Amino acid sequence: GAVVSQHPSRVICKSGTSVKIECRSLDFQATTMFWYRQFPKQSLMLMATSNEGSKATYEQGVEKDKFLINHASLTLSTLTVTSAHPEDSSFYICSARDRFRTEAFFGQGTRLTVV
Amino acid sequence: GEDVEQSLFLSVREGDSSVINCTYTDSSSTYLYWYKQEPGAGLQLLTYIFSNMDMKQDQRLTVLLNKKDKHLSLRIADTQTGDSAIYFCAERPYAGGTSYGKLTFGQGTILTVHP
Repeated sequence: GAVVSQHPSRVICKSGTSVKIECRSLDFQATTMFWYRQFPKQSLMLMATSNEGSKATYEQGVEKDKFLINHASLTLSTLTVTSAHPEDSSFYICSARDRFRTEAFFGQGTRLTVV
Repeated sequence: GEDVEQSLFLSVREGDSSVINCTYTDSSSTYLYWYKQEPGAGLQLLTYIFSNMDMKQDQRLTVLLNKKDKHLSLRIADTQTGDSAIYFCAERPYAGGTSYGKLTFGQGTILTVHP
């Protein structure tokens, strides 16, 4: 099956620092990756879409300078939360799909806590 | 834009059937998905259906689609305590483009299964 691995699963960082979250497709080439944010007891909010080798497309209201997305290879995308603040604390989930399948597969998610 | 709505809570007894409902607004051809999320985890794809289908069955899961009313349901037969989780309905347009694969999620239905 298609496996997407997200790392780390949990991270605690100090306010003002930057945090990088990795999303890897382990057994397929992820031509497109998606980054979502989920608040407690709420649905997933799409933050951005990244196609391999291209700049990410951000959803309205998402600060591209704060949430840096890199999708430099067909198996890896990274989300960097820059100058993190407590309000950035959330559950971040990536998903990935290749050009052949209809469905996207999700990583395990990363719980970010900014103190 | 697309909108997906779900009932927020469902409580059933172990062994009963669970029916989780979802409505969507996209009028174009679309894929419709059901995902399961356990606490602190990512999303697990359960099943999906294309909008020109009426029904899809996969072991204990039955998906019914009423295209006229744009109503989707997920029936879980013989519900077990391990089925307790949040269930998300999501839709994705069939058409391509740079956001190909982008999902719009419902709010999620919290299913609680009592012994």
